[in-house]
Amino acid sequence: EDKVVQSPLSLVVHEGDTVTLNCSYEVTNFRSLLWYKQEKKAPTFLFMLTSSGIEKKSGRLSSILDKKELFSILNITATQTGDSAVYLCAVAGNEKLTFGTGTRLTIIP
Amino acid sequence: NAGVTQTPKFQVLKTGQSMTLQCAQDMNHEYMSWYRQDPGMGLRLIHYSVGAGITDQGEVPNGYNVSRSTTEDFPLRLLSAAPSQTSVYFCASSYANSGNTIYFGEGSWLTVV
Repeated sequence: EDKVVQSPLSLVVHEGDTVTLNCSYEVTNFRSLLWYKQEKKAPTFLFMLTSSGIEKKSGRLSSILDKKELFSILNITATQTGDSAVYLCAVAGNEKLTFGTGTRLTIIP
Repeated sequence: NAGVTQTPKFQVLKTGQSMTLQCAQDMNHEYMSWYRQDPGMGLRLIHYSVGAGITDQGEVPNGYNVSRSTTEDFPLRLLSAAPSQTSVYFCASSYANSGNTIYFGEGSWLTVV
């Protein structure tokens, strides 16, 4: 059975701090790993990773995939209160997308 | 751009009632899916479809039916609502099957009393 595990479950930091969110997986026929940010409503897309070792960046957010060790990290530098959200990791395998339970990130001003 | 449209956004049902959550997408995506999201459980796949006329079960299919008569629409039917089906439901779509960016609807908040 496909499995995606995210850690930590929740994280509280001060504005300006840097955070690292973790996602490990066991999936049959891996196709890609996706990161989403969820605030009050539907998840919004952040990154899709398919190749090991290639960092994807968008502003203060970056992510990298290690297909040998089966994990990915999402980094957020210089955090802002608007970064407070649940961050979801999902892995695409055989016709299915399996989600982790998410990491709830809270940024204190 | 409409994207993925879900209705209704909020619904309260009595135990034993049936209802249909509607989902439509205008991006000509082959792949559509329904998830439910419960506290501490993440998003769990209920049913999915890789194209018109084809559906399959996900992780938590019991108590739900789907059909895919057109590429655009993928309704989710609750046959006899139970309090355990109180949840937030998300419809999603993407090109081909998994591996591509998936687009979510806004969510449907369902309470079964």
